[in-house]
Amino acid sequence: GENVEQHPSTLSVQEGDSAVIKCTYSDSASNYFPWYKQELGKRPQLIIDIRSNVGEKKDQRIAVTLNKTAKHFSLHITETQPEDSAVYFCAAIGPGYALNFGKGTSLLVTP
Amino acid sequence: KAGVTQTPRYLIKTRGQQVTLSCSPISGHRSVSWYQQTPGQGLQFLFEYFSETQRNKGNFPGRFSGRQFSNSRSEMNVSTLELGDSALYLCASSAAGQGAETQYFGPGTRLLVL
Repeated sequence: GENVEQHPSTLSVQEGDSAVIKCTYSDSASNYFPWYKQELGKRPQLIIDIRSNVGEKKDQRIAVTLNKTAKHFSLHITETQPEDSAVYFCAAIGPGYALNFGKGTSLLVTP
Repeated sequence: KAGVTQTPRYLIKTRGQQVTLSCSPISGHRSVSWYQQTPGQGLQFLFEYFSETQRNKGNFPGRFSGRQFSNSRSEMNVSTLELGDSALYLCASSAAGQGAETQYFGPGTRLLVL
């Protein structure tokens, strides 16, 4: 089955800096890659997603890039703010219907 | 539209007991997936249902089972509970169950097994 690896597991940045989280996947048939943000005690919330026919997608301060050849995708957050502090999960879905998640990155943005 | 809801929100059980968790998807959504979240293993896929049929199952023992009703509501059952089953159980719904579409999560049921 699909195996998704996520790095780093923890990330601390200063407010205003950029944060980058990287994921790799194993199944070349995977065609959908969402990113979820989970604040403490809350449900995971989709923040951005990308499909395999697209190389990059942006939404305000958040962007995701996908390299299908290398089988990796990354989340970029610019101009980080304290409210960006949370755990971020990448995921990949292939021909089946299961989201396979990375282990998560705990992002801390310090003022 | 109302979001995905799960009941109960919290449960305390003892080893050997069984438990049933419920998930109501967003109105009109036909696919429901279940995930187990633990600090050590992260989010792991349990199973997915679409139109009352289980289409995919994760790598969990047979003690974990589920079903989906004609109104798309879903239940999961865990029999003969073990301490290691303590976790946050999340369900997620999607509209057409076509795979490459957004899954919306419920708030989860936190299960503690003593």
